[in-house]
Amino acid sequence: SQQGEEDPQALSIQEGENATMNCSYKTSINNLQWYRQNSGRGLVHLILIRSNEREKHSGRLRVTLDTSKKSSSLLITASRAADTASYFCATDAERDDKIIFGKGTRLHILP
Amino acid sequence: EAQVTQNPRYLITVTGKKLTVTCSQNMNHEYMSWYRQDPGLGLRQIYYSMNVEVTDKGDVPEGYKVSRKEKRNFPLILESPSPNQTSLYFCASSLSRDHGYTFGSGTRLTVV
Repeated sequence: SQQGEEDPQALSIQEGENATMNCSYKTSINNLQWYRQNSGRGLVHLILIRSNEREKHSGRLRVTLDTSKKSSSLLITASRAADTASYFCATDAERDDKIIFGKGTRLHILP
Repeated sequence: EAQVTQNPRYLITVTGKKLTVTCSQNMNHEYMSWYRQDPGLGLRQIYYSMNVEVTDKGDVPEGYKVSRKEKRNFPLILESPSPNQTSLYFCASSLSRDHGYTFGSGTRLTVV
């Protein structure tokens, strides 16, 4: 069962620009998490936002959550070459104990 | 160093030969989980464990077994591997569902 779906599937931007990725999900959640994965390596946790929060910041990352639309966005400001990676959202659904990942957005930062 | 350790990193095996992928965490985390990652399908949860002696099926549990006899270890067992289990496997742990996962480095399994 795919809970979260990221959009777009792939994104290429120039270094220094902002990158925005979106995640939509289907059922009520306890929290939503964003992760980064560099080319086949383990995922790295970026940020967790709870269902009663609307926005959260961490360095150059800004995450928003709209529970009425069942969607979240991840904004990376002033992108760098090192931000090239795949980004995944993961949802912790209220109905069970599973944490379900989407298929990810591949972000490529052009020099 | 706080980490999740998976072994082996790479494994090629033959159909039907039982294998175990080990996973150990040193952070006293309660929640542990196994995922497989396949191109175009993202990460799919195989099994998870909320605590010692408590395990539950994820979305793709068929062909896999797990155990959680101690808090730190969560091995993944393939009793009779088949080629459709060729995949990249990740173990992950978290303090609770309200915290993010720490992932292992992955195990790339090929079943021929």
